[in-house]
Amino acid sequence: GENVEQHPSTLSVQEGDSAVIKCTYSDSASNYFPWYKQELGKRPQLIIDIRSNVGEKKDQRIAVTLNKTAKHFSLHITETQPEDSAVYFCAPYPGGWGNTPLVFGKGTRLSVIA
Amino acid sequence: EADIYQTPRYLVIGTGKKITLECSQTMGHDKMYWYQQDPGMELHLIHYSYGVNSTEKGDLSSESTVSRIRTEHFPLTLESARPSHTSQYLCASSESRGGKQYFGPGTRLTVT
Repeated sequence: GENVEQHPSTLSVQEGDSAVIKCTYSDSASNYFPWYKQELGKRPQLIIDIRSNVGEKKDQRIAVTLNKTAKHFSLHITETQPEDSAVYFCAPYPGGWGNTPLVFGKGTRLSVIA
Repeated sequence: EADIYQTPRYLVIGTGKKITLECSQTMGHDKMYWYQQDPGMELHLIHYSYGVNSTEKGDLSSESTVSRIRTEHFPLTLESARPSHTSQYLCASSESRGGKQYFGPGTRLTVT
């Protein structure tokens, strides 16, 4: 099955700085690479995703980059703001009609210090 | 509006009681999941389902059961609640081919 690792497990940045979280996976069949954000007391929600035929995707201050050869993808947050403070999870997925359940990374707790 | 619902949102119950946590989705998704999560910590998969009458155990499935009689409904039952079950329980769903998961608001369970 898929082995997923996220680094770092905790990250503190000053407001306005950038943050990068890396997700490493083992299943070479993975072709869908999402990032979820979970704010305190709330449910995880998808914030950005990328498919294997694309190397990078941006949405305002957040971006995801993919390196399929090295089997990792990263979440980039620029100009961080206090509302970016949350736990972030990656969950690479092989796609298709298969019945393999998602494997989530263990999460990265991001703290943005004002 | 299509969404995923969980009831109750909060539950305090004594040790040894049998409880059922409800989860319903109006998205028409075939796949549904139950996760256990302590606040801000990793998501532990308890059970999942690919469709009606199909259920599978996750890594943390002991002491609980699920059923999937209708596409939209996926209840989780704890046969005998213990203090170690105190946690948040999140239900989620996804399309058959998709990896994108939609989460419910969660049930926060406290076993005294």
